[in-house]
Amino acid sequence: GENVEQHPSTLSVQEGDSAVIKCTYSDSASNYFPWYKQELGKGPQLIIDIRSNVGEKKDQRIAVTLNKTAKHFSLHITETQPEDSAVYFCAASRDRDDKIIFGKGTRLHILP
Amino acid sequence: KAGVTQTPRYLIKTRGQQVTLSCSPISGHRSVSWYQQTPGQGLQFLFEYFSETQRNKGNFPGRFSGRQFSNSRSEMNVSTLELGDSALYLCASSLGGVSSEKLFFGSGTQLSVL
Repeated sequence: GENVEQHPSTLSVQEGDSAVIKCTYSDSASNYFPWYKQELGKGPQLIIDIRSNVGEKKDQRIAVTLNKTAKHFSLHITETQPEDSAVYFCAASRDRDDKIIFGKGTRLHILP
Repeated sequence: KAGVTQTPRYLIKTRGQQVTLSCSPISGHRSVSWYQQTPGQGLQFLFEYFSETQRNKGNFPGRFSGRQFSNSRSEMNVSTLELGDSALYLCASSLGGVSSEKLFFGSGTQLSVL
């Protein structure tokens, strides 16, 4: 069945450095790829998303890239700050499928 | 605009019991979806309701069920609880569905099965 793999499961970076989280998906028909951030005690919150007709999307310090051929997409956070510490989830879905598959999450620690 | 509200926030049950969780979506949202979150498995899709109809479901046993009311509020029920059902249960609402659009999550119900 559909699967989304996410790496790494834990990531520690120095404040100010960049962080990269990678996901691969198995269903070639997937065409929507959101990223969610979950802070302690809260539900996940969408931070950026990308559709399959776009290769890259950027929003301030956050960017997402998509390689449809390799079925691979990545989240890039530049100039990391303490408030970036959280769990990040990637996900994949396709139009009219009414189903979404999440990766297992990456716990990001920003070190002072 | 009020966010997604889940009640109760915490629940403690014993094996064999059943439990009902509640989710009130953002006003105007017709889709409510449910997820199980555990440290080992991450976020797993349980099912989605749209206009009182279940549109899709994940790979969970029949002990997990749900429903949606005409005001879009949704409930999730787990019967014959097992220790492995201990998890954070999240619901999310959206305008049209889980595919291809932003989901708004509640803070979840933390269920502990003893």
